[in-house]
Amino acid sequence: QKEVEQDPGPLSVPEGAIVSLNCTYSNSAFQYFMWYRQYSRKGPELLMYTYSSGNKEDGRFTAQVDKSSKYISLFIRDSQPSDSATYLCAMRKTSGNTPLVFGKGTRLSVIA
Amino acid sequence: GAVVSQHPSWVICKSGTSVKIECRSLDFQATTMFWYRQFPKQSLMLMATSNEGSKATYEQGVEKDKFLINHASLTLSTLTVTSAHPEDSSFYICSAIPPGPGYGYTFGSGTRLTVV
Repeated sequence: QKEVEQDPGPLSVPEGAIVSLNCTYSNSAFQYFMWYRQYSRKGPELLMYTYSSGNKEDGRFTAQVDKSSKYISLFIRDSQPSDSATYLCAMRKTSGNTPLVFGKGTRLSVIA
Repeated sequence: GAVVSQHPSWVICKSGTSVKIECRSLDFQATTMFWYRQFPKQSLMLMATSNEGSKATYEQGVEKDKFLINHASLTLSTLTVTSAHPEDSSFYICSAIPPGPGYGYTFGSGTRLTVV
């Protein structure tokens, strides 16, 4: 079993739809959770980060962490064609200089 | 703030030659940087952790003699792919940890290496 599981998609939705992206993980030591957006042939761009369980909202984006279920989600409201990209979940165990562990990434297409 | 610059953005080289990729933290000091490799439609695979002033820590299966990492200053880490072969063709991305609160790492824009 991989440490972080993420459905690679592809996921195609109409413009204006609510998008739900998810990751599960197996190691309960993970404490810091992030979502990155990656456009083709570009480096990942940080969208959201959360510590431990709970919700965090930033504009059209909401990140949720449920540590009891080892499950994290990213919701995108009023999706736009410019949201079309690959979304990667990432997490790490401590606050020190430790590397991130990534999910496979989900390819999202928002159709106008 | 917290910008990581990676150069070049793409490079083509002949088999057997070496290629150097630079990763710079532009507005902060980074004692630690990470190097990743990404194949098409795949996630980022950690290659090594680069520490300023000391040897890099390589992940299992990564050839340290082929992928030379030098972190000579607090703002620059370099990855040199030595004696490149077509199977080394990939997208290489560096990452650094900006100081201050927050847990998100900043990534460079990536380098697409094609070995012919």
